[in-house]
Amino acid sequence: GAVVSQHPSWVICKSGTSVKIECRSLDFQATTMFWYRQFPKQSLMLMATSNEGSKATYEQGVEKDKFLINHASLTLSTLTVTSAHPEDSSFYICSARDGGGKRYNEQFFGPGTRLTVL
Amino acid sequence: GQNIDQPTEMTATEGAIVQINCTYQTSGFNGLFWYQQHAGEAPTFLSYNVLDGLEEKGRFSSFLSRSKGYSYLLLKELQMKDSASYLCAVRDEINYGQNFVFGPGTRLSVLP
Repeated sequence: GAVVSQHPSWVICKSGTSVKIECRSLDFQATTMFWYRQFPKQSLMLMATSNEGSKATYEQGVEKDKFLINHASLTLSTLTVTSAHPEDSSFYICSARDGGGKRYNEQFFGPGTRLTVL
Repeated sequence: GQNIDQPTEMTATEGAIVQINCTYQTSGFNGLFWYQQHAGEAPTFLSYNVLDGLEEKGRFSSFLSRSKGYSYLLLKELQMKDSASYLCAVRDEINYGQNFVFGPGTRLSVLP
Protein backbone atom coordinates (compact mmCIF):
# COMPACT_ATOMS: atom_id res chain seq x y z
CA GLY A 1 0.00 0.00 0.00
CA ALA A 2 0.84 3.71 0.02
CA VAL A 3 2.07 3.95 -3.55
CA VAL A 4 2.57 7.28 -5.28
CA SER A 5 3.22 7.44 -8.98
CA GLN A 6 4.56 10.23 -11.15
CA HIS A 7 4.32 10.70 -14.87
CA PRO A 8 6.42 11.17 -16.87
CA SER A 9 9.55 9.77 -15.24
CA TRP A 10 11.68 11.95 -17.47
CA VAL A 11 11.08 14.63 -20.04
CA ILE A 12 13.21 16.69 -22.39
CA CYS A 13 11.74 19.88 -23.79
CA LYS A 14 12.73 23.01 -25.64
CA SER A 15 13.14 26.31 -23.87
CA GLY A 16 9.87 28.25 -23.77
CA THR A 17 7.55 25.26 -23.76
CA SER A 18 5.37 24.07 -20.89
CA VAL A 19 5.61 20.70 -19.19
CA LYS A 20 2.97 19.02 -17.04
CA ILE A 21 3.92 16.49 -14.37
CA GLU A 22 1.28 14.29 -12.76
CA CYS A 23 1.37 12.88 -9.25
CA ARG A 24 -1.11 10.20 -8.24
CA SER A 25 -1.78 8.36 -5.00
CA LEU A 26 -2.74 4.89 -6.15
CA ASP A 27 -4.20 3.23 -3.07
CA PHE A 28 -5.08 6.00 -0.68
CA GLN A 29 -6.66 9.43 -0.65
CA ALA A 30 -4.15 12.21 -0.38
CA THR A 31 -5.61 15.29 1.24
CA THR A 32 -2.25 16.99 0.95
CA MET A 33 0.44 16.67 -1.68
CA PHE A 34 3.83 18.30 -1.75
CA TRP A 35 6.06 19.26 -4.64
CA TYR A 36 9.82 19.28 -4.20
CA ARG A 37 12.72 20.16 -6.44
CA GLN A 38 16.13 18.62 -6.07
CA PHE A 39 19.29 19.76 -7.81
CA PRO A 40 22.26 17.38 -8.14
CA LYS A 41 23.91 16.48 -4.85
CA GLN A 42 21.52 18.71 -2.93
CA SER A 43 18.65 17.99 -0.61
CA LEU A 44 14.96 18.31 -1.35
CA MET A 45 13.60 21.83 -1.45
CA LEU A 46 9.88 22.22 -0.90
CA MET A 47 8.24 24.23 -3.66
CA ALA A 48 4.60 24.16 -2.66
CA THR A 49 1.94 22.42 -0.65
CA SER A 50 -1.20 21.39 -2.43
CA ASN A 51 -4.50 20.70 -0.69
CA GLU A 52 -7.36 19.11 -2.55
CA GLY A 53 -9.90 21.65 -3.73
CA SER A 54 -7.97 24.74 -2.69
CA LYS A 55 -5.12 26.89 -3.94
CA ALA A 56 -1.59 25.70 -3.41
CA THR A 57 0.66 27.35 -0.86
CA TYR A 58 3.99 28.29 -2.38
CA GLU A 59 7.29 28.59 -0.57
CA GLN A 60 9.13 31.87 -0.59
CA GLY A 61 10.96 32.42 -3.85
CA VAL A 62 8.84 30.02 -5.89
CA GLU A 63 6.89 31.76 -8.65
CA LYS A 64 3.28 30.64 -8.56
CA ASP A 65 2.64 31.85 -12.09
CA LYS A 66 5.51 29.79 -13.40
CA PHE A 67 4.84 26.60 -11.44
CA LEU A 68 1.11 25.99 -11.69
CA ILE A 69 -0.29 23.43 -9.30
CA ASN A 70 -3.72 21.84 -9.54
CA HIS A 71 -5.02 19.38 -6.94
CA ALA A 72 -8.39 18.62 -8.45
CA SER A 73 -9.05 15.31 -6.71
CA LEU A 74 -7.93 13.33 -3.68
CA THR A 75 -5.67 11.18 -5.84
CA LEU A 76 -4.21 13.58 -8.39
CA SER A 77 -2.07 16.70 -8.30
CA THR A 78 -0.37 18.24 -11.31
CA LEU A 79 2.59 20.59 -11.59
CA THR A 80 2.93 22.56 -14.80
CA VAL A 81 6.23 24.28 -15.49
CA THR A 82 5.31 27.12 -17.80
CA SER A 83 7.73 28.67 -20.28
CA ALA A 84 10.49 26.36 -19.10
CA HIS A 85 14.10 27.52 -19.23
CA PRO A 86 17.36 25.58 -18.83
CA GLU A 87 17.65 26.69 -15.20
CA ASP A 88 14.39 24.83 -14.50
CA SER A 89 16.14 21.55 -15.31
CA SER A 90 15.94 19.52 -12.13
CA PHE A 91 14.53 16.45 -10.44
CA TYR A 92 10.93 17.12 -9.41
CA ILE A 93 9.49 14.88 -6.70
CA CYS A 94 5.98 14.81 -5.32
CA SER A 95 4.87 13.31 -2.06
CA ALA A 96 1.48 12.62 -0.59
CA ARG A 97 0.14 12.44 2.90
CA ASP A 98 -2.54 9.93 3.76
CA GLY A 99 -5.63 11.71 4.98
CA GLY A 100 -6.37 9.28 7.77
CA GLY A 101 -5.76 5.91 9.29
CA LYS A 102 -2.50 4.76 10.78
CA ARG A 103 -0.33 6.36 8.14
CA TYR A 104 -0.87 9.83 9.41
CA ASN A 105 2.63 11.11 9.82
CA GLU A 106 4.50 9.85 6.80
CA GLN A 107 4.89 11.39 3.44
CA PHE A 108 5.01 8.89 0.60
CA PHE A 109 7.19 9.93 -2.28
CA GLY A 110 6.69 9.42 -5.96
CA PRO A 111 9.58 8.13 -8.10
CA GLY A 112 10.41 11.62 -9.37
CA THR A 113 10.47 13.30 -12.77
CA ARG A 114 13.72 14.39 -14.32
CA LEU A 115 13.17 17.51 -16.41
CA THR A 116 15.80 18.65 -18.91
CA VAL A 117 15.19 21.91 -20.72
CA LEU A 118 17.34 22.47 -23.79
CA GLY B 1 13.23 29.65 10.97
CA GLN B 2 14.56 26.13 11.07
CA ASN B 3 18.11 24.86 10.92
CA ILE B 4 18.87 21.21 10.30
CA ASP B 5 22.44 20.00 10.04
CA GLN B 6 23.99 16.72 8.92
CA PRO B 7 27.48 15.71 7.86
CA THR B 8 27.84 16.02 4.11
CA GLU B 9 29.64 12.76 3.44
CA MET B 10 30.63 9.60 5.28
CA THR B 11 32.53 6.49 4.31
CA ALA B 12 32.35 3.09 5.96
CA THR B 13 33.34 -0.50 5.28
CA GLU B 14 31.03 -3.36 4.39
CA GLY B 15 29.94 -5.21 7.53
CA ALA B 16 30.70 -2.28 9.83
CA ILE B 17 28.41 -0.01 11.84
CA VAL B 18 27.91 3.66 10.99
CA GLN B 19 26.11 6.43 12.85
CA ILE B 20 24.73 9.43 10.95
CA ASN B 21 23.96 12.42 13.14
CA CYS B 22 21.34 15.12 12.68
CA THR B 23 20.94 18.24 14.77
CA TYR B 24 18.02 20.59 14.49
CA GLN B 25 16.83 23.90 15.83
CA THR B 26 13.12 24.47 15.44
CA SER B 27 10.62 26.46 17.41
CA GLY B 28 8.08 23.65 17.11
CA PHE B 29 8.52 19.89 16.85
CA ASN B 30 6.15 17.16 15.76
CA GLY B 31 8.49 14.40 14.79
CA LEU B 32 11.73 13.57 13.02
CA PHE B 33 11.99 11.32 9.99
CA TRP B 34 14.85 9.54 8.28
CA TYR B 35 14.69 8.78 4.58
CA GLN B 36 17.07 6.89 2.30
CA GLN B 37 17.59 8.14 -1.23
CA HIS B 38 19.57 6.36 -3.92
CA ALA B 39 20.90 8.51 -6.73
CA GLY B 40 18.18 9.46 -9.20
CA GLU B 41 15.43 7.90 -7.13
CA ALA B 42 12.82 9.19 -4.72
CA PRO B 43 13.38 9.03 -0.96
CA THR B 44 12.08 5.99 0.89
CA PHE B 45 10.93 6.10 4.50
CA LEU B 46 13.21 4.53 7.10
CA SER B 47 12.09 5.68 10.52
CA TYR B 48 10.06 8.10 12.59
CA ASN B 49 10.76 9.39 16.11
CA VAL B 50 8.53 11.71 18.07
CA LEU B 51 9.43 10.65 21.62
CA ASP B 52 12.90 10.41 23.13
CA GLY B 53 14.65 7.13 22.78
CA LEU B 54 15.69 4.47 20.34
CA GLU B 55 13.52 2.95 17.64
CA GLU B 56 14.90 -0.27 16.19
CA LYS B 57 13.90 -1.73 12.86
CA GLY B 58 16.10 -4.55 11.64
CA ARG B 59 19.57 -3.30 10.71
CA PHE B 60 18.48 0.32 11.11
CA SER B 61 17.87 2.16 14.38
CA SER B 62 17.06 5.79 15.02
CA PHE B 63 17.52 7.75 18.21
CA LEU B 64 16.00 11.04 19.33
CA SER B 65 16.73 13.51 22.11
CA ARG B 66 14.29 16.38 21.96
CA SER B 67 15.99 18.38 24.70
CA LYS B 68 19.24 18.32 22.74
CA GLY B 69 17.69 18.73 19.31
CA TYR B 70 19.59 15.65 18.21
CA SER B 71 18.94 12.45 16.36
CA TYR B 72 21.05 9.74 14.83
CA LEU B 73 20.50 6.93 12.38
CA LEU B 74 22.48 3.78 13.12
CA LEU B 75 23.14 1.31 10.34
CA LYS B 76 24.50 -2.12 11.31
CA GLU B 77 26.07 -4.86 9.20
CA LEU B 78 26.56 -2.46 6.34
CA GLN B 79 25.96 -3.74 2.85
CA MET B 80 27.05 -2.27 -0.46
CA LYS B 81 23.44 -1.44 -1.27
CA ASP B 82 23.37 0.90 1.73
CA SER B 83 25.44 3.39 -0.27
CA ALA B 84 22.96 6.24 -0.62
CA SER B 85 22.03 9.64 0.75
CA TYR B 86 20.32 9.73 4.11
CA LEU B 87 17.97 12.62 4.74
CA CYS B 88 16.86 13.86 8.13
CA ALA B 89 13.54 15.73 8.08
CA VAL B 90 11.70 17.57 10.83
CA ARG B 91 8.01 18.23 11.05
CA ASP B 92 6.93 21.43 12.78
CA GLU B 93 3.16 21.74 12.58
CA ILE B 94 2.98 25.02 14.46
CA ASN B 95 5.08 26.92 11.97
CA TYR B 96 4.98 24.82 8.83
CA GLY B 97 1.78 22.80 8.95
CA GLN B 98 2.07 19.46 7.22
CA ASN B 99 5.43 20.28 5.62
CA PHE B 100 8.67 18.54 6.30
CA VAL B 101 11.88 20.48 6.36
CA PHE B 102 14.76 18.38 5.08
CA GLY B 103 18.36 18.55 6.14
CA PRO B 104 21.12 18.68 3.52
CA GLY B 105 21.49 14.91 3.47
CA THR B 106 24.49 12.70 4.20
CA ARG B 107 26.02 10.77 1.31
CA LEU B 108 27.20 7.42 2.62
CA SER B 109 29.68 5.37 0.64
CA VAL B 110 30.11 1.74 1.67
CA LEU B 111 33.43 0.27 0.57
CA PRO B 112 34.22 -3.43 0.17
